[in-house]
Amino acid sequence: DQQVKQNSPSLSVQEGRISILNCDYTNSMFDYFLWYKKYPAEGPTFLISISSIKDKNEDGRFTVFLNKSAKHLSLHIVPSQPGDSAVYFCAASYTGNQFYFGTGTSLTVIP
Amino acid sequence: EAQVTQNPRYLITVTGKKLTVTCSQNMNHEYMSWYRQDPGLGLRQIYYSMNVEVTDKGDVPEGYKVSRKEKRNFPLILESPSPNQTSLYFCASSPQMRDWGRERGYTFGSGTRLTVV
Repeated sequence: DQQVKQNSPSLSVQEGRISILNCDYTNSMFDYFLWYKKYPAEGPTFLISISSIKDKNEDGRFTVFLNKSAKHLSLHIVPSQPGDSAVYFCAASYTGNQFYFGTGTSLTVIP
Repeated sequence: EAQVTQNPRYLITVTGKKLTVTCSQNMNHEYMSWYRQDPGLGLRQIYYSMNVEVTDKGDVPEGYKVSRKEKRNFPLILESPSPNQTSLYFCASSPQMRDWGRERGYTFGSGTRLTVV
């Protein structure tokens, strides 16, 4: 059973606007969450992470929000740029090296 | 440059013909893992290894084998490939993570696109 879910397979946003990518999880033991970005013909690369002791983490244009009670996290990209067009995976962990990945959301930023 | 290297990048093979996809990392990472990516299913773990000579099954291990005889290498073996193993495969590595060390997760290879006909 999928413990990490990304219910939107795709998202299109105008350049300069905000992109919001969502991720839900079912396992309340998860205490660390990551977002990865993947371009075609490349492997996923780390983007941003958040620990369950926080509810927000920022890195430049990227902000991840965590709502533990709702078992929900979101990635905000502001402002969105055409180079942000990629597939985004969220991942969650509750111990050591084991991460569980969502199904991915394909973001298209329209110039 | 710190990286995970997979070979080959693309492979077309026939049903039943044994193949090996190689994975090597130069970061002295203890942990290595194989994933497959399929449309609508995301990244699913096949096998992982916590260290040399220590391997374990992930979520979808059927039809695959691995070995970890050296720290840097973690090959994926398909003894008798079938069409349902057509997929995009990724190798990943990371240092042994303690609770405080999970900030950056895995380093992934560039992927191997396998087609079994």
